[in-house]
Amino acid sequence: DTEVTQTPKHLVMGMTNKKSLKCEQHMGHRAMYWYKQKAKKPPELMFVYSYEKLSINESVPSRFSPECPNSSLLNLHLHALQPEDSALYLCASSQDRGYNEQFFGPGTRLTVL
Amino acid sequence: GDSVTQMEGPVTLSEEAFLTINCTYTATGYPSLFWYVQYPGEGLQLLLKATKADDKGSNKGFEATYRKETTSFHLEKGSVQVSDSAVYFCALSVVLGGSYIPTFGRGTSLIVHP
Repeated sequence: DTEVTQTPKHLVMGMTNKKSLKCEQHMGHRAMYWYKQKAKKPPELMFVYSYEKLSINESVPSRFSPECPNSSLLNLHLHALQPEDSALYLCASSQDRGYNEQFFGPGTRLTVL
Repeated sequence: GDSVTQMEGPVTLSEEAFLTINCTYTATGYPSLFWYVQYPGEGLQLLLKATKADDKGSNKGFEATYRKETTSFHLEKGSVQVSDSAVYFCALSVVLGGSYIPTFGRGTSLIVHP
């Protein structure tokens, strides 16, 4: 299995809602990543988890809260988002944080009303 | 800091035309270089990579050669198809907090007409 899966595919939420994005991989990878991608722009790194521990937080607002319950699963909890947070949220994994090659999921298209 | 510069798109070609998408980089060391592709409505896929000077990465008919002397990693394909229509990102690996993180170029949109 060489796939990173993400659910849901699309999400529409109001500014007062709480929702979560889910990412899963079964490749035995020990590093997982969250990226945010606005239209016609490259992905921007948000968080890096290595061996289920948060190793990088790229100054992301606290309304985004990541969680890594186990080595296969990565969540992104969303609360009190703003319309400008609407974007494609991509999850990726790599064998280890010291490995160059990342495998990306298909993304969750988030719209904040 | 380390960075990547890609040619601005969109690049519009007819089917079976030759493709070149230019990419140059600035780096203090010898980073690995990548091309990622993003098809409409999808995530990124690694297309090819090269880890040292003069390496040639290739996949699905696409090729790119790591040129240290010109700090370039141009993407080429001899005969494009409509199904190649996508956004192509050049990237290099930057070490950040012990992790290798891709630094992406702006992306180049490719549109192939039948």
